[in-house]
Amino acid sequence: QVQLQESGPGLLKPSETLSLTCTVSGDSINNYYWSWIRQPAGKGLEWIGRIYVSGNTNYNPSLKSRVTMSVDTSKNQFSLNLSSVTAADTAVYYCARGTYHTRGKDYWGQGTLVTVSS
Amino acid sequence: DIQLTQSPSSVSASVGDRVTITCRASQGISSWLAWYQQKPGNPPKLLIYATSSLQSGVPSRFSGSGSGTDFTLTISSLQPEDFATYYCQQAHSFPLTFGQGTRLEIK
Repeated sequence: QVQLQESGPGLLKPSETLSLTCTVSGDSINNYYWSWIRQPAGKGLEWIGRIYVSGNTNYNPSLKSRVTMSVDTSKNQFSLNLSSVTAADTAVYYCARGTYHTRGKDYWGQGTLVTVSS
Repeated sequence: DIQLTQSPSSVSASVGDRVTITCRASQGISSWLAWYQQKPGNPPKLLIYATSSLQSGVPSRFSGSGSGTDFTLTISSLQPEDFATYYCQQAHSFPLTFGQGTRLEIK
């Protein structure tokens, strides 16, 4: 059973850096790509970006200047850093697995709420 | 960016009804469209990928169709567990984008 679990601080102050890690269990991190998606309360889904086990990345241009993703295959983990956060970055952050042949995100973490407040 | 517009934004229906949700892309996306179901407090769940392929474990009452810019998700006979919000998502080009969601409510 594949499981994804997000972890990281739930409360940040403006201008700080959001750092989240997604731990994958039940399968190898290889042969898939790994995405971050966020959802402000009561709103829709926003794709942040994705990373391949090679380390190659694709980011949403709206966030690209502030986003960094990394992967640690030895720990079956991948991570998201989002710098200079503001209240607009308050959201539930999800990690998800993508498969090459379907281009769908078939497994998701439960999500972690990150609140930015002074 | 490719914009996805879902209609309706919300719909009320009864158990047993047939419901269709549409997703229109601002430009052609071939067949790279997925549908997700989300219930409150839970992550999205993949229902359909590549326009019409049913994800493993998803009931056959869900189906998808379309191509180019116009796509539909159909639920043939609504069950109580189907009341949720549905999102389309294009996987044709970056940045990946989602529709604004369609809330399916009990009549």
